[in-house]
Amino acid sequence: QVQLQQSGPGLVKPSQTLSLTCAVSGDSVSSSTATWSWVRQSPSRGLEWLGRTYYRSKWYYDYALSVKSRLAIYPDISKNQFSLQLNSVTPEDTAVYYCVRDRSGFKWYFDLWGRGILVTVSS
Amino acid sequence: QSALTQPASVSGSPGQSITISCTGTSSDIGSHYLVSWYQQHPGKVPKLMIHEVTERPSGVSNRFSGSKSGNTASLTISGLQAEDEADYYCCSYAGGTNVIFGGGTKLTVL
Repeated sequence: QVQLQQSGPGLVKPSQTLSLTCAVSGDSVSSSTATWSWVRQSPSRGLEWLGRTYYRSKWYYDYALSVKSRLAIYPDISKNQFSLQLNSVTPEDTAVYYCVRDRSGFKWYFDLWGRGILVTVSS
Repeated sequence: QSALTQPASVSGSPGQSITISCTGTSSDIGSHYLVSWYQQHPGKVPKLMIHEVTERPSGVSNRFSGSKSGNTASLTISGLQAEDEADYYCCSYAGGTNVIFGGGTKLTVL
C-alpha cells in the first residue's frame, strides 16, 4: 500500500524558513512515471499547488509563480522522500500543507495525499 | 491565475442527483481535458473522485461522473447518499507548469 508520511514543525516564526518532509512508502520518489508535489490549503487561499519534483533521467523542479522565489523542493533518494523549504514566511503562509503524488506524471491529478500538517506562522 | 469558480453550496435529498459546476477560462478548462475533482470530508484529506474530465479511479462509486462543455466542467452525483455530504473541489491544468483549483462547493444532503 502506497503511503505518504509527512513530518515537520507546526509553528514557524515570521521571516524564518518552513521545512517539511514527505516519506514515500510503496512507491519510489525516483519513479519514471510519477511526480511529487506540495499543495497547501487555507481558508483565505483555498487549495494551492506549490510545486513538484520528478525524475526523468535527471531531476526536474517546477514551482508556482506565487512562491517561486521562496520555494525549494528536493528529493532524498537514500531515504525515499522529498522535502519542501519555503523561505521568508509570513502569516499568509499559514495553511495545511499536503504532499501529494500524481501517478500519471503529466495529467495533473493527485491520486495520493499525505495526511497534511497544519503550519502556523506566528511569533 | 484566478481560481476556478464553483457555487459555494448545493443541496439535494437522498436518492436525487445534483451537479456541481466549475467555470474557468479558455486558458484552463477550455483548452485541456485535464480536469479533476476531489471530495473532502471535514477534517479529512482530499480524495480524488474524477480525473481527465470523465475518468473514475478504481474504488470510486459509479454514482460520480464528470463532464465538460466549453470553459465549464461539471461533477454529477446520482442517487445521493448521506455519506456524499462533503466539500468538493475542481482542479484544472492551466498550461505550462500551472494548475489551479476551484474555491470549493459544500454539498448538503437534506
